[in-house]
Parts: sequence; structure tokens; C-alpha cells
Amino acid sequence: GEDVEQSLFLSVREGDSSVINCTYTDSSSTYLYWYKQEPGAGLQLLTYIFSNMDMKQDQRLTVLLNKKDKHLSLRIADTQTGDSAIYFCAESIDTDKLIFGTGTRLQVFP
Amino acid sequence: DTAVSQTPKYLVTQMGNDKSIKCEQNLGHDTMYWYKQDSKKFLKIMFSYNNKELIINETVPNRFSPKSPDKAHLNLHINSLELGDSAVYFCASSQGGIGGSNTGELFFGEGSRLTVL
Repeated sequence: GEDVEQSLFLSVREGDSSVINCTYTDSSSTYLYWYKQEPGAGLQLLTYIFSNMDMKQDQRLTVLLNKKDKHLSLRIADTQTGDSAIYFCAESIDTDKLIFGTGTRLQVFP
Repeated sequence: DTAVSQTPKYLVTQMGNDKSIKCEQNLGHDTMYWYKQDSKKFLKIMFSYNNKELIINETVPNRFSPKSPDKAHLNLHINSLELGDSAVYFCASSQGGIGGSNTGELFFGEGSRLTVL
């Protein structure tokens, strides 16, 4: 199947780290992505990782990829209230198709 | 300048009506998409077009008919609207599709919220 699974909710205190997890299905995906959706807006690409990498760091964001377990995670360091949003992982299937995960709603409280 | 713009942003209509949503991108991309996001925020691809040619049609009912007059526009027409069509419809674009040597970043519009009564 093409199910990309994520936990639905995550609540963290401001300043803590957030870790959002994702399991995907297609081991042939070339890239895996994290998108962010703020209320009333479309999705925006946060970061992506090439499938032959294990880790990618981009400022406060760290992406970990475990290809054996088909597990992708996004760690946000020093989480801020502005990070509150829905986060979607996505895998590329075929040449013109992104399959999105179920989305994780991150809530950051002071 | 808005990169991917959709109109209308909100649409409320009665069951059985026909409606259209328009999408335009000024990024010079050659691939455009329609995604549907339901009330639980699940996002599913509906169609993709590359240079005006239909590439993906994800078992969407034929009441939905996309039209791409040129590579900068992808419109969505929906006939005989049903309650289950209520959702937010997102248009997106990318350069060169996804996979291979392309990173496949999608640029999304702000969405069109369709409510069918």
C-alpha cells in the first residue's frame, strides 16, 4: 500500500526539542520530505533528505533516516511557539507523485 | 507576487451544482497538481499535469475534470457536487516532476475550501 503513517499529535513546552516520527512504505523513494502547514495556509517544504543519507542537519532541524526500518524523523531543537503547525512527511513514488503522511499537529505551549 | 494562486479561496454551494476552482503559477514550472485535504487533514493527490498533459489520475470520480489550457494554469471543474466533496483543494506546482535528479519540491497555493450543503 501507499500508507505513510505519523502520530497525530505532539505537545511540547517552548524551548524543548520536538521529535516527529514517520514510517513510510516505498523503499525505492529517492527523496523523503518534511512539509509544514500553518493554519489556513498551504504546505511549505521545510527540508528533504536524499535516500542514501542517514542524517541531514539544517539549523534547528535534524532529519534522521533509517532505511532498513523505513523510518523518518524530524527533530526541532529549541521549539518556539511559531513552530506550532501540522507537519507532514512525504515520500516520492514514481516520477510525479508525492505521498503525504497523515500529518502531526505540533502544539507548543509556553 | 504570489507564486501559486488559487481562486476562489472559499466556495459554499448546494449539492448537485457544478463549480470550478482556478489555479495559476508564475514560477515557470512545468508540472502542476491538485491535492484534496479532508477534514482530518489527510492529503491525497488527485491529478498531475506536465506541460498540459495528464500524468496522474488517482481514481478520482469522473465528475472531477481538470483542464490545463497552458502550463501555467490548471483548473478543476466539479460536476454534480456531493456532500463528500467538501474539503480543501490545494493546487501545487514543481519543476520537472519528482524523483530522479529532481528534488521534487512542491509549491502549494493557499487552498480553496469547498463546502457542499
